[in-house]
Amino acid sequence: GAGVSQSPSNKVTEKGKDVELRCDPISGHTALYWYRQSLGQGLEFLIYFQGNSAPDKSGLPSDRFSAERTGGSVSTLTIQRTQQEDSAVYLCASTRGLAGVGETQYFGPGTRLLVL
Amino acid sequence: SQKIEQNSEALNIQEGKTATLTCNYTNYSPAYLQWYRQDPGRGPVFLLLIRENEKEKRKERLKVTFDTTLKQSLFHITASQPADSATYLCALSGAGSYQLTFGKGTKLSVIP
Repeated sequence: GAGVSQSPSNKVTEKGKDVELRCDPISGHTALYWYRQSLGQGLEFLIYFQGNSAPDKSGLPSDRFSAERTGGSVSTLTIQRTQQEDSAVYLCASTRGLAGVGETQYFGPGTRLLVL
Repeated sequence: SQKIEQNSEALNIQEGKTATLTCNYTNYSPAYLQWYRQDPGRGPVFLLLIRENEKEKRKERLKVTFDTTLKQSLFHITASQPADSATYLCALSGAGSYQLTFGKGTKLSVIP
């Protein structure tokens, strides 16, 4: 079946511009995660959506970052007034349930963001 | 604070040998430990999961061990092949927790 898809695959933007990154999770997966991966760094948790529950936004690095998930499916991560330090790969993952009960995460290919 | 260390940023190994990657953690009591493979330009792909009450898990040429006393997991690839070259990530989660905490990964290069 179809995996997690993300768009765009690459995005180059100018400092100060807003960007929107999209994630389409696997159909039927209730949980959706956003991560950021900078060069030489591990995956940094950003935000988590589970069903209709309030999202866990504890990983968002600043108020310039926001995310929403519509209809329990597609998610959009928005970065306002981009800064050069926002340059990274943004990864989306989905799971059928809670990672804490042994669910594995299925990742998309990522969006490579470059802020000039 | 919680810390996960994969103690080699890079590991070079000759084809046919066994590659052993290490994941150590501190200030954590994980219920589950997972290993992922990440190729350049791709997202991580799940390989194996091991539970806190399991000592060892195998899948084809892969073997994972989990020692909660040493707070360490070892990931072995036997009869390594150049196609095994990738970055390998370990990830931990607590019981009932939805968060996976990832290590920085070890880049494995299998030399023909």
